Amino acid sequence: DQQVKQNSPSLSVQEGRISILNCDYTNSMFDYFLWYKKYPAEGPTFLISISSIKDKNEDGRFTVFLNKSAKHLSLHIVPSQPGDSAVYFCAASPNNAGNMLTFGGGTRLMVKP
Amino acid sequence: GAVVSQHPSWVICKSGTSVKIECRSLDFQATTMFWYRQFPKQSLMLMATSNEGSKATYEQGVEKDKFLINHASLTLSTLTVTSAHPEDSSFYICSATRGNQPQHFGDGTRLSIL
Repeated sequence: DQQVKQNSPSLSVQEGRISILNCDYTNSMFDYFLWYKKYPAEGPTFLISISSIKDKNEDGRFTVFLNKSAKHLSLHIVPSQPGDSAVYFCAASPNNAGNMLTFGGGTRLMVKP
Repeated sequence: GAVVSQHPSWVICKSGTSVKIECRSLDFQATTMFWYRQFPKQSLMLMATSNEGSKATYEQGVEKDKFLINHASLTLSTLTVTSAHPEDSSFYICSATRGNQPQHFGDGTRLSIL
């Protein structure tokens, strides 16, 4: 039973446009959410996080939105750049710390020049 | 940002060999380290949680006698895959954290068992 799901295995976007990556979760105990970016043969790199007390967190080109009632979060990248091409994992944690993570299956983002 | 070093990055060995993977936090003292396994095109699956000075906590389905974890210091954890077989071939990733900080990941180790 997957507690964190990323239903789109891949996403293709034109450079300069917005990329929207979605993530759904089922466990109501999750209250801290993170997005990681991963290149092949490398470990994930932390991108941005959001606590359940917020519905939006922004850091440069990256914005994470959280809809607790729908148990849904999304990562917006704007404008998208070719260097953003990677696999993006959302992760959820049952404490406000992010040190116990359950990962989604990942979405491969391809940004075309 | 925090740096976690994982070594080796790639191992190829014969079936029956034991393989040790090291995970070091280079610029902070990690109270907790995690070991993950990733199969191709799949997500990271947590194998075990390791706190310095205590026994690792293994996730359901992970054989503790197969995957030996030692967390001897606040900057080093090791994963030993004992008597590795082809089905153990995978990408193993460690991460480290301290207190309420997000996990910082190593670059992973690709293990190929022939």
